[in-house]
Amino acid sequence: TQLLEQSPQFLSIQEGENLTVYCNSSSVFSSLQWYRQEPGEGPVLLVTVVTGGEVKKLKRLTFQFGDARKDSSLHITAAQTGDTGLYLCAGPGAGNMLTFGGGTRLMVKP
Amino acid sequence: NAGVMQNPRHLVRRRGQEARLRCSPMKGHSHVYWYRQLPEEGLKFMVYLQKENIIDESGMPKERFSAEFPKEGPSILRIQQVVRGDSAAYFCASSRGQTLNEKLFFGSGTQLSVL
Repeated sequence: TQLLEQSPQFLSIQEGENLTVYCNSSSVFSSLQWYRQEPGEGPVLLVTVVTGGEVKKLKRLTFQFGDARKDSSLHITAAQTGDTGLYLCAGPGAGNMLTFGGGTRLMVKP
Repeated sequence: NAGVMQNPRHLVRRRGQEARLRCSPMKGHSHVYWYRQLPEEGLKFMVYLQKENIIDESGMPKERFSAEFPKEGPSILRIQQVVRGDSAAYFCASSRGQTLNEKLFFGSGTQLSVL
C-alpha cells in the first residue's frame, strides 16, 4: 500500500506570512496531485506534478516534486485569508485509484 | 456546464435505517468514484464504477454497502442498516477516463449523520 503522509496536520498563520506544507511517502509515485478543499465542498485540483524535480507555480503557490518522486511540497508566499482550507496531496495507489494523504488544515488569520 | 451533482447535501438517519446517496457525473463522464471522509482526515477510496459495471470496490466494506451506476440515471451509494460509525462526508468524483490520464472532478459531498 502506498501511503502519503502530510505535515503539518494543522497550521495557523497571520496574513502575509509564508508557509510550506509537505507530502511524503516511502514509495515512488508516477505523479502527485495537490487539491484544496474548503468547508462543505469537495476537493478542487490545483496542480499535477509528473517529473522528478519539477517545479510548478500557480500565482503565489509553488509546487515541487522531489527528485526521487517520493515527496512533494507546496509553498505559499504572502498567505491571504482566502488561502484557508484543507490542502490534500494525492497519487495513484493500489489499482491506480487515487490515494489521498491526511491533509494539512491551513488557517490564515487577518 | 453543471459539475458533479450530489444529493442530498445532508442526510440524517437513525441507526438501522438505510441511506441512499446519489451522484450525477459531469456531462460526458462515464467514470464515477466514491470516497469517504471522516472529520479532520483525508479522503478514503471506496469504489470505482463505469456505466453498469463495478470496476474496483476494494475500499468498500463487504457488508451493508453497495454501489451501482445504471445505464440511465445517477450513481447510487447505498448503506443498509446504518451505524454511528457510518457518519461521514461521502464524495463522488467523475472523469472522462481513468484517473491517471484524466482530471478528477468532485461533487460537494453528502454529509451523512447517523443518530
